[in-house]
Amino acid sequence: AQSVTQLGSHVSVSEGALVLLRCNYSSSVPPYLFWYVQYPNQGLQLLLKYTSAATLVKGINGFEAEFKKSETSFHLTKPSAHMSDAAEYFCAVSEASGTYKYIFGTGTRLKVLA
Amino acid sequence: NAGVTQTPKFQVLKTGQSMTLQCAQDMNHNSMYWYRQDPGMGLRLIYYSASEGTTDKGEVPNGYNVSRLNKREFSLRLESAAPSQTSVYFCASSGSLSGNTIYFGEGSWLTVV
Repeated sequence: AQSVTQLGSHVSVSEGALVLLRCNYSSSVPPYLFWYVQYPNQGLQLLLKYTSAATLVKGINGFEAEFKKSETSFHLTKPSAHMSDAAEYFCAVSEASGTYKYIFGTGTRLKVLA
Repeated sequence: NAGVTQTPKFQVLKTGQSMTLQCAQDMNHNSMYWYRQDPGMGLRLIYYSASEGTTDKGEVPNGYNVSRLNKREFSLRLESAAPSQTSVYFCASSGSLSGNTIYFGEGSWLTVV
């Protein structure tokens, strides 16, 4: 069965510092992997996705994530945090084919300190 | 460019009342979903519809029913609301034409008192 684990329900970084949000997955088949961002009182927006092409995926707002099969990880990074990055971030996994069921992690709330 | 539209955005119900959350997508997606979001628990799948004419239970289906009215619309019904159903509900859709990415509506905030 698929599962997603996000380490750290809350992460705080200083403005300008590196952002690192961790995601580990388990999947019995090659997965699709996603990162979504949720701003307060809004729905989830796609940041980036991995679909078995390049292992380093670039997304919107300067975020990127690297798929590491040996570590079953898909960590999200951004070199320099901005105040506007404060939000909740969700990692998700789905099977590459089939019923398109998506499993979401429990989320990581990012706080950016001035 | 509407994407996924869900209504209502806010609703307060009394215990035992019923209501239906409506959802429509205009991206010609085959699959539609209803999730609930609770603090510290992420998103949990209530029901999904892999294609028009089919529906299946997700992780937390108890107390809910769904209807896939047509390809565009997927509704969620609470027959007898309970305080435990106080949550934020998200409708979503996905399809091969959009690279199997799942797209979300803006959410419906439901409070059961």
